[in-house]
Amino acid sequence: DAGITQSPRHKVTETGTPVTLRCHQTENHRYMYWYRQDPGHGLRLIHYSYGVKDTDKGEVSDGYSVSRSKTEDFLLTLESATSSQTSVYFCATGLNNQPQHFGDGTRLSIL
Amino acid sequence: AQTVTQSQPEMSVQEAETVTLSCTYDTSENNYYLFWYKQPPSRQMILVIRQEAYKQQNATENRFSVNFQKAAKSFSLKISDSQLGDTAMYFCAFMKPALTSGTYKYIFGTGTRLKVLA
Repeated sequence: DAGITQSPRHKVTETGTPVTLRCHQTENHRYMYWYRQDPGHGLRLIHYSYGVKDTDKGEVSDGYSVSRSKTEDFLLTLESATSSQTSVYFCATGLNNQPQHFGDGTRLSIL
Repeated sequence: AQTVTQSQPEMSVQEAETVTLSCTYDTSENNYYLFWYKQPPSRQMILVIRQEAYKQQNATENRFSVNFQKAAKSFSLKISDSQLGDTAMYFCAFMKPALTSGTYKYIFGTGTRLKVLA
């Protein structure tokens, strides 16, 4: 297992507040990903990173930003949370063409 | 753009029986990978099985096997001798390299919720 820790596991916050989710890995995988999971949509890619300070947008990146200052950590930030961002967020890591490993998810509710 | 379609939102099967979950995909790529992931109520994403597109032989992992039809762009999952612990959401995923960044991107289907009945 890739040793992926997501924090927090659950969070409830209000519309308009900033939120940061953290993903920490211990396996030195180069690639890291943030997904959101919503009913009827499966998992959709928000942003991904292919190295320290190297990030790019996924298919649903609006309203989200990311940062990767070191290999182990990949942060997802909602600058001003909206109710449409209520979701379950998954972090994943990858190494070349190997299957991605997933964290246990963060359930985020925005009221 | 690549798409992955799982046309069965929900399925049920009796314990010890066999069930097949369908997945079709659309791509113009020749080099790619296909996966099935299982997500039980605990919310973890667990890799079930993997198939490389260049391999003609269907992948098998214990009670799980796939029927990979490359020309038809079909990748179904067969679960034999179904167990209560197989109750979960199952996601089909397509992975290909993103040439600009060197990373590998997944595209997921919408999932099939499988319930194994006692």
